[in-house]
Amino acid sequence: NAGVTQTPKFRVLKTGQSMTLLCAQDMNHEYMYWYRQDPGMGLRLIHYSVGEGTTAKGEVPDGYNVSRLKKQNFLLGLESAAPSQTSVYFCASRYLPVDPGELFFGEGSRLTVL
Amino acid sequence: AQSVTQLDSHVSVSEGTPVLLRCNYSSSYSPSLFWYVQHPNKGLQLLLKYTSAATLVKGINGFEAEFKKSETSFHLTKPSAHMSDAAEYFCVVSGFSNNDMRFGAGTRLTVKP
Repeated sequence: NAGVTQTPKFRVLKTGQSMTLLCAQDMNHEYMYWYRQDPGMGLRLIHYSVGEGTTAKGEVPDGYNVSRLKKQNFLLGLESAAPSQTSVYFCASRYLPVDPGELFFGEGSRLTVL
Repeated sequence: AQSVTQLDSHVSVSEGTPVLLRCNYSSSYSPSLFWYVQHPNKGLQLLLKYTSAATLVKGINGFEAEFKKSETSFHLTKPSAHMSDAAEYFCVVSGFSNNDMRFGAGTRLTVKP
């Protein structure tokens, strides 16, 4: 049972390039989330999804897009990367939408934008 | 809206001594509160959570936290630190919308031999 898997784990981009981060979970969770982690700021929610085909904005959505075409996958896209998007990105999933159930996290994807 | 403040960015203790990581929260609703731990280059793992049941919550690896509404605090404690406890700890508050979980800035715990 892999849990939450993120690919790639590391990526270096030049300003203006695009890329997609993939999150896959095998726990049949309804809710999925993308966070970014920056030093001294904890984790901040970028976008989330409450089910297949749905997405919603979080606290810091600008510059990112997401898609949830399949229940087990949640993609995070950067159309035109900027140095301010250098960060560690975490995907998380949760089963129970009402009870504040545990978030299960991937191991993170470290992105550097030059 | 809710927010959380972790009062110490770095805490250093000796192995075998008590651990105290402090967290204050602000919430317009009855909050749910969590502590997560992150070991180097890993994802976050749930230590414990408070969801309006018992105010003293026990978690994994000997950690516990006490919800104090009058002080708006949810401090994390452990009686005796172990080397393997060295990690970053995050206090998290969840309010009316369970999708609006706010993370504290984190406290890095160092354990000295």
